[in-house]
Amino acid sequence: DAGVTQSPTHLIKTRGQQVTLRCSPKSGHDTVSWYQQALGQGPQFIFQYYEEEERQRGNFPDRFSGHQFPNYSSELNVNALLLGDSALYLCASRRQGEGTEAFFGQGTRLTVV
Amino acid sequence: AQSVTQPDIHITVSEGASLELRCNYSYGATPYLFWYVQSPGQGLQLLLKYFSGDTLVQGIKGFEAEFKRSQSSFNLRKPSVHWSDAAEYFCAVGAVNTGNQFYFGTGTSLTVIP
Repeated sequence: DAGVTQSPTHLIKTRGQQVTLRCSPKSGHDTVSWYQQALGQGPQFIFQYYEEEERQRGNFPDRFSGHQFPNYSSELNVNALLLGDSALYLCASRRQGEGTEAFFGQGTRLTVV
Repeated sequence: AQSVTQPDIHITVSEGASLELRCNYSYGATPYLFWYVQSPGQGLQLLLKYFSGDTLVQGIKGFEAEFKRSQSSFNLRKPSVHWSDAAEYFCAVGAVNTGNQFYFGTGTSLTVIP
C-alpha cells in the first residue's frame, strides 16, 4: 500500500500564476481533505471532498478550488498566487464513517516568488 | 470556537528522560483527539488517537496520552525519550460530523540532547 501520495514534492511559482497540486488517497479511502501549513504553524483546513463534491470548506478565499475524480484522487488549484500562499500543502485521506482516522501525505512545498 | 493550544513552543529533554507535551482544546461537541508527529520537510504521522472509551490511549513508538475532559486536555507522554523522537508534535481535535476538518495546535518542537 503506497499510502497517500502527493505530487509534485516541490514547486516554485511566480506571483499571479496558477498552480495545481495532486493527491492520490490511500487504498480504500474515499474522502480527501487539503490543508495548508505555513512555516512554523500547524496545518489549516482548506476543504474536504467526498463523492466528487466539496463537502466542507475552511476560511480560504475562492482562489482556492478543488476537484475529486471518480477514482477518489483529488486536485487543489490556487489562482492568482500571492507570496503568502507559500506553504506546505498537505493532503489527508480517510474512509468515510465514524471514527476513521486520517492519513496524511508528505506534502507539496509551494514557493511563490 | 474550536481551538487547540499547545503552550510549549519548544522543549528540550535529555535522551532517556521522560517527556510530557501539553495540549488543551476548546470544542463544542465530544471531541476526537489526535497527536501527530512531523519530521522536517515531511508530512504528518499519526501517533495515537482518542475516540471514546478508556481515557488513556497507547500509540506507536511508546507514546501514550490521557484524555481529561474536566481539564479539556490531552497530554502526550513518553517514559524514556530516544534521540529519534526529535521532531515537531501536533495535537489536533475533530469530530465525526466534520470529517477531516481537524483543528491543529501550533506545534511543539522537541529537541533531544545526548
